Amino acid sequence: QQQVKQSPQSLIVQKGGISIINCAYENTAFDYFPWYQQFPGKGPALLIAIRPDVSEKKEGRFTISFNKSAKQFSLHIMDSQPGDSATYFCAAGGFNKFYFGSGTKLNVKP
Amino acid sequence: NAGVTQTPKFQVLKTGQSMTLQCAQDMNHNSMYWYRQDPGMGLRLIYYSASEGTTDKGEVPDGYNVSRLKKQNFLLGLESAAPSQTSVYFCASSYDLGGDGTEAFFGQGTRLTVV
Repeated sequence: QQQVKQSPQSLIVQKGGISIINCAYENTAFDYFPWYQQFPGKGPALLIAIRPDVSEKKEGRFTISFNKSAKQFSLHIMDSQPGDSATYFCAAGGFNKFYFGSGTKLNVKP
Repeated sequence: NAGVTQTPKFQVLKTGQSMTLQCAQDMNHNSMYWYRQDPGMGLRLIYYSASEGTTDKGEVPDGYNVSRLKKQNFLLGLESAAPSQTSVYFCASSYDLGGDGTEAFFGQGTRLTVV
């Protein structure tokens, strides 16, 4: 059973547009929801994370929206830039253990 | 400060051969993880270790073994490599003290091909 479902698989956005990636999780015991950014040939790096006691977290152009009742969370990238082109993974879990989504390949066109 | 270092970066094995992937972290993290990354499937947890000397199975442990004899090292072994184990392997580590200490730091990956 897939613990975290992520969509879309790929996304093309014009420079300056908003990129939105969605994730849904199954286990209500999860208490930490990070997003990772991965460039080709590199390991994933933490972008932003949220805990279920807040509904939104913003860091610069990146915002996580969290809906605990729906068991869904999403990443919004405002004013998307070509340098944001990468693969994005959501994850969910807690102490010691995380499950990752299948990834979204974002391409921001100049 | 190197972070998480994986060796080797690339490896080609013949079916049935064995090998060990090495991972070292210099951040004094308690927990360490091995993931495999396959196209369209994201990162899947193979094994993890909450502390030195302890290990637990993740989502896809079959065909692998691990050891954590020292806090800074986490080894992933393939006893008899199979083509299905062709993948990119990532090691990660985290504090696990709660709050922002839960962040996992990843290595650069090991690209393994089994022919």
